[in-house]
Amino acid sequence: DAGITQSPRYKITETGRQVTLMCHQTWSHSYMFWYRQDLGHGLRLIYYSAAADITDKGEVPDGYVVSRSKTENFPLTLESATRSQTSVYFCASCSLNTEAFFGQGTRLTVV
Amino acid sequence: EDQVTQSPEALRLQEGESSSLNCSYTVSGLRGLFWYRQDPGKGPEFLFTLYSAGEEKEKERLKATLTKKESFLHITAPKPEDSATYLCAVQAGEAAGNKLTFGGGTRVLVKP
Repeated sequence: DAGITQSPRYKITETGRQVTLMCHQTWSHSYMFWYRQDLGHGLRLIYYSAAADITDKGEVPDGYVVSRSKTENFPLTLESATRSQTSVYFCASCSLNTEAFFGQGTRLTVV
Repeated sequence: EDQVTQSPEALRLQEGESSSLNCSYTVSGLRGLFWYRQDPGKGPEFLFTLYSAGEEKEKERLKATLTKKESFLHITAPKPEDSATYLCAVQAGEAAGNKLTFGGGTRVLVKP
């Protein structure tokens, strides 16, 4: 099915562990984005990508790493998870001629 | 730095009571301004794109307008099913990587 999917939907991890959130889109959109959503802060941009192998920092990049070796995938890695990274994470994609489409989100809890 | 500010943060309406949500923005080279609706536990769902000052878009009870500094989302005669968080976002031009920046959202509750 065409669309944008995130996995896992829910994740509980321990402080200090590395965790990777996956994002896959089937439209071959050039642009992809990672956001975190916390109460009182709306959607804050972590990283974005204009094409494969091109990534840029957003508003809150510290503690996160991204890669984009293929157009359709944009994984987000927390290198050493902290409690402050407990949040809901959304991935989105778009082309120059479309609005951004969002995944269903990953709820991450760091204990 | 691109900035988007939405007001009010929350809005309680009676069914049928029309109102407006505000989105003020600063962006380097606006490519588009977007309105999204978000229901609890779900990702944002696209409503409108506005590209230039003076443009208006309508969908059922919602109407979005755009000026050079702000956008309004007008809700006419709302129903309980219009209860949601409404998000505004601006997309910068290609020189800025088409970065998409969101405001904090307005939580709308429509009571029957």
